[in-house]
Amino acid sequence: GAGVSQSPSNKVTEKGKDVELRCDPISGHTALYWYRQSLGQGLEFLIYFQGNSAPDKSGLPSDRFSAERTGGSVSTLTIQRTQQEDSAVYLCASNSPDLTDTQYFGPGTRLTVL
Amino acid sequence: QQQVKQSPQSLIVQKGGIPIINCAYENTAFDYFPWYQQFPGKGPALLIAIRPDVSEKKEGRFTISFNKSAKQFSLHIMDSQPGDSATYFCAASFGNYGQNFVFGPGTRLSVLP
Repeated sequence: GAGVSQSPSNKVTEKGKDVELRCDPISGHTALYWYRQSLGQGLEFLIYFQGNSAPDKSGLPSDRFSAERTGGSVSTLTIQRTQQEDSAVYLCASNSPDLTDTQYFGPGTRLTVL
Repeated sequence: QQQVKQSPQSLIVQKGGIPIINCAYENTAFDYFPWYQQFPGKGPALLIAIRPDVSEKKEGRFTISFNKSAKQFSLHIMDSQPGDSATYFCAASFGNYGQNFVFGPGTRLSVLP
């Protein structure tokens, strides 16, 4: 595609519910990152996928967070039993490390947990 | 070691001024230093980047100055415009894998008309 896309753009959920956030990376990009950005804050690394390698999950804040990447393309970030502190913008980025160091970001999903 | 420090947290300048944002790092393995620009409601977008083999890089009104010995780099915006009002993030990486790509906390720039 022309760029990284994310859906939904906004998600409002109740505390305790599960949510799924989707990321469509740029076609052909082998690497995919998820970040969390709280209001007015920097980017907090969550998880990294590179090709067929095991993902780097070292940034996931708790076991309520998980992510998968199917077929080396689309990725889904799942947050189970959401808490109010999970409210943030979740950003996805992709690139091909063998071609460029530049990460291309999607517009993000704004998650609000009531 | 993996931290990137960034200052100031926020910055207000008049149109035409030259805002300067500074970043510092510890890990000498970092070999790629990009700056990202983020407008409200949008994802960050690459603005300009530098590698440690040069001390300065200029693209249009944006200049990165890099001091390898001090482990510092900075972004200068010449002739700033209200449209430059955004949040700016510096970053550092090596190997471009996972947590080896580290972002600074960001600087919110406001350029007054």
